[in-house]
Amino acid sequence: EVQLLESGGGLVQPGGSLRVSCVASGFSFSTYAMDWVRQAPGKGLEWVSGFSGSDSRTFYADSVKGRFTISRDTFNNTLYLQMSRLRVEDTAVYYCVRRSDFWSGPNGHYHYYGMDVWGQGTTVTVSS
Amino acid sequence: SHDLTQPPSVSVSPGQTASISCSGDELRDDYVCWYQWKAGQSPALVIFQGSRRPSGIPERFSASTSGNIATLTISGTQPMDEADYYCQAWDISTNVVFGGGTKLTVL
Repeated sequence: EVQLLESGGGLVQPGGSLRVSCVASGFSFSTYAMDWVRQAPGKGLEWVSGFSGSDSRTFYADSVKGRFTISRDTFNNTLYLQMSRLRVEDTAVYYCVRRSDFWSGPNGHYHYYGMDVWGQGTTVTVSS
Repeated sequence: SHDLTQPPSVSVSPGQTASISCSGDELRDDYVCWYQWKAGQSPALVIFQGSRRPSGIPERFSASTSGNIATLTISGTQPMDEADYYCQAWDISTNVVFGGGTKLTVL
């Protein structure tokens, strides 16, 4: 069964740091792109960060650039999000997501098939 | 970059057709997805590449894009379709963007 299991959420003070993890199972983790998506209380979904499956490039939303770092451990099938200089507005449920995509052709055409597997989420609360 | 605008809520009677719009600049059909989010669950992909359904998604779910508006259509809406629906688009500058979400009420 394809599954994503997040952990590591908790309460942290503004300016603090936290690392959330996501263990993947049931698919070839190293070949897929992975993302973190969050939902703040009373708000909609917000894409946070992505890790390319093909070339290990990383991508960030402007709201977290320079503060968050995404990484992965293919030996342990685990995706991480290291969050630093946390702000109250980073309070949210953080979802680990599998993205189906690939680049093809000499000009690098991007094929995007959506975020097809979602974890249950881990809650991060930033408060003093 | 672009923002995606959805109506906050849509109501439909059981058996009728529900339509949820998503407007944004430079929408490209092959990069539009839709997600269904039921209470107590995680989001689920219901449409990818503008109009394609993943396996297991009922045929009553369809979608299209015209100009700068993508539309999710649910034909013969059932009570089990009551959920929040999010559109999503990818582009090379902003990567992934979500719409604000639409609460579909079936009553």
